Amino acid sequence: SQQGEEDPQALSIQEGENATMNCSYKTSINNLQWYRQNSGRGLVHLILIRSNEREKHSGRLRVTLDTSKKSSSLLITASRAADTASYFCVTKTGANNLFFGTGTRLTVIP
Amino acid sequence: NAGVTQTPKFRVLKTGQSMTLLCAQDMNHEYMYWYRQDPGMGLRLIHYSVGEGTTAKGEVPDGYNVSRLKKQNFLLGLESAAPSQTSVYFCASSPTGGSGANVLTFGAGSRLTVL
Repeated sequence: SQQGEEDPQALSIQEGENATMNCSYKTSINNLQWYRQNSGRGLVHLILIRSNEREKHSGRLRVTLDTSKKSSSLLITASRAADTASYFCVTKTGANNLFFGTGTRLTVIP
Repeated sequence: NAGVTQTPKFRVLKTGQSMTLLCAQDMNHEYMYWYRQDPGMGLRLIHYSVGEGTTAKGEVPDGYNVSRLKKQNFLLGLESAAPSQTSVYFCASSPTGGSGANVLTFGAGSRLTVL
């Protein structure tokens, strides 16, 4: 399977702390995206990083991509209770091949 | 602006029954997708469409059929429901695909239980 794998599977932190989650994948990619899913809801796109990029920022989000290690990380700074959700990495390997990881469940304790 | 709307939100079926899930998007997106989400397995692609009148198989297409008669609608059908099809189904759309970015907009999901 080309599915990405997030690590850790679950993460619990205090409000105000930073949260880091990682994604590893198996094959070469065109781009990698991160999505958030609140409980019982659909997924929401957060950020996209292309294979020729190494780092990208969006507000409190920072994404890195290391294609040599086939891995990506998502950093959420100054976390808030509203950041509690599951986070998925999605890799694009071909024209329409998008593969979802199994997700990291983040809990931010107020 | 509704985005992606899925109906119904919940459905309970008996084994062997058939049903259709409807997905509608108002963003004029070319690409539409149906995924299923099962615990511990992430989302898996069932079928997708790259434009009106086209459909293609994804990772787990068996037991499902789809149609895209109108650009804004993508229907997912279960011909003879099985307990293994108990899942949460998500529809998504994107303005581009192919060499583009495939940034997805998701619906809220449809929870299907097959008894």
